[in-house]
Amino acid sequence: GAVVSQHPSWVICKSGTSVKIECRSLDFQATTMFWYRQFPKQSLMLMATSNEGSKATYEQGVEKDKFLINHASLTLSTLTVTSAHPEDSSFYICSARRGKTQETQYFGPGTRLLVL
Amino acid sequence: DQQVKQNSPSLSVQEGRISILNCDYTNSMFDYFLWYKKYPAEGPTFLISISSIKDKNEDGRFTVFLNKSAKHLSLHIVPSQPGDSAVYFCAAKFRSSGNTPLVFGKGTRLSVIA
Repeated sequence: GAVVSQHPSWVICKSGTSVKIECRSLDFQATTMFWYRQFPKQSLMLMATSNEGSKATYEQGVEKDKFLINHASLTLSTLTVTSAHPEDSSFYICSARRGKTQETQYFGPGTRLLVL
Repeated sequence: DQQVKQNSPSLSVQEGRISILNCDYTNSMFDYFLWYKKYPAEGPTFLISISSIKDKNEDGRFTVFLNKSAKHLSLHIVPSQPGDSAVYFCAAKFRSSGNTPLVFGKGTRLSVIA
């Protein structure tokens, strides 16, 4: 099966600091990775689509300067929450699509972020 | 505007019986549908998918039915097992449009009672 990992699995930080979350596809090359955010009892909300070697495409309402996404290789994408505030506390999940013809996205285990 | 709707936030079923999870969508351009299962504090796990050219897809205990005219799909789990207790998300996409993201419903929490 396709395995996607995320690191860290949880993080607590002070308000104003930046937090980097890594998403890796362990056994396949991911041409596209997606970053989602989930609030309690809500659905997964897509934040941005990340293609290897190009700029990410952000969804409406998502601040690109606040949530920096880098997809430097076919197996790694990073999300950096800059100058985090308590309202950024959430569950962040990445997913990766294997190849250009695969329709299924494989999700990472998620990262719980708590900003104090 | 919720394009993918799961109107039942929760469902309880006895072990061994059938679980039926429903999903409705509003955009007739969606042509590929997926079901994911999610445990607390974990990422969703892919379960089963169906293309709009089919009306049924089966994989072991899981069967997905698609009714395009009604813009409705359902996931049947039979027999239900306690380990099936989780939140189930329905998702849709425009397959023919290439690199498009999934649109998720809000999920249905399934509880299978032993």
